[in-house]
Amino acid sequence: DQQVKQNSPSLSVQEGRISILNCDYTNSMFDYFLWYKKYPAEGPTFLISISSIKDKNEDGRFTVFLNKSAKHLSLHIVPSQPGDSAVYFCAAPNQAGTALIFGKGTTLSVSS
Amino acid sequence: DAGITQSPRYKITETGRQVTLMCHQTWSHSYMFWYRQDLGHGLRLIYYSAAADITDKGEVPDGYVVSRSKTENFPLTLESATRSQTSVYFCASSESVGGYGYTFGSGTRLTVV
Repeated sequence: DQQVKQNSPSLSVQEGRISILNCDYTNSMFDYFLWYKKYPAEGPTFLISISSIKDKNEDGRFTVFLNKSAKHLSLHIVPSQPGDSAVYFCAAPNQAGTALIFGKGTTLSVSS
Repeated sequence: DAGITQSPRYKITETGRQVTLMCHQTWSHSYMFWYRQDLGHGLRLIYYSAAADITDKGEVPDGYVVSRSKTENFPLTLESATRSQTSVYFCASSESVGGYGYTFGSGTRLTVV
């Protein structure tokens, strides 16, 4: 049973526009959520996080929104740049709090 | 060099062979993790370790063995490789279990033929 779900395998956006990547979760007890970004032939890198007590966290062009009632979070990238083209993973701590569990990822393509 | 290093970067092996993927980190992080990335599955946890000589299973541990005799090393062994173990394997380390400080290696692409 997948606890962190990214239902959109891919997203294509034009440069300068907003990219919105979505993530749904099933466990209302998650304390925080993270987004990781992955380029081809590289390991994932931490991008941004949000605590479950907040509904928004912003870092430059990246903003994560958390809707606890809907068990949904989203990553907004504004404005999108070609260098943002990558796979984005949503993650949350496993039930034991010992490791992260990841969604399947969304491949973002930003065209110039 | 400081960081987390995985070796080899690429490996082709035959079904039934034993193969070991290496992971070395220079920060003395307590926590280390092995994930595999597969199309349609994202990143799945294989094993993790909270400290030297402390390891535990993740989501997909079958067919894998780990050890951690030293804090800096966390090798992953496929005892008898199968085609279903063809994947990209990522090692990660962290100072805390929380996940904010996860640093991933560059990955090992393993092909089992």
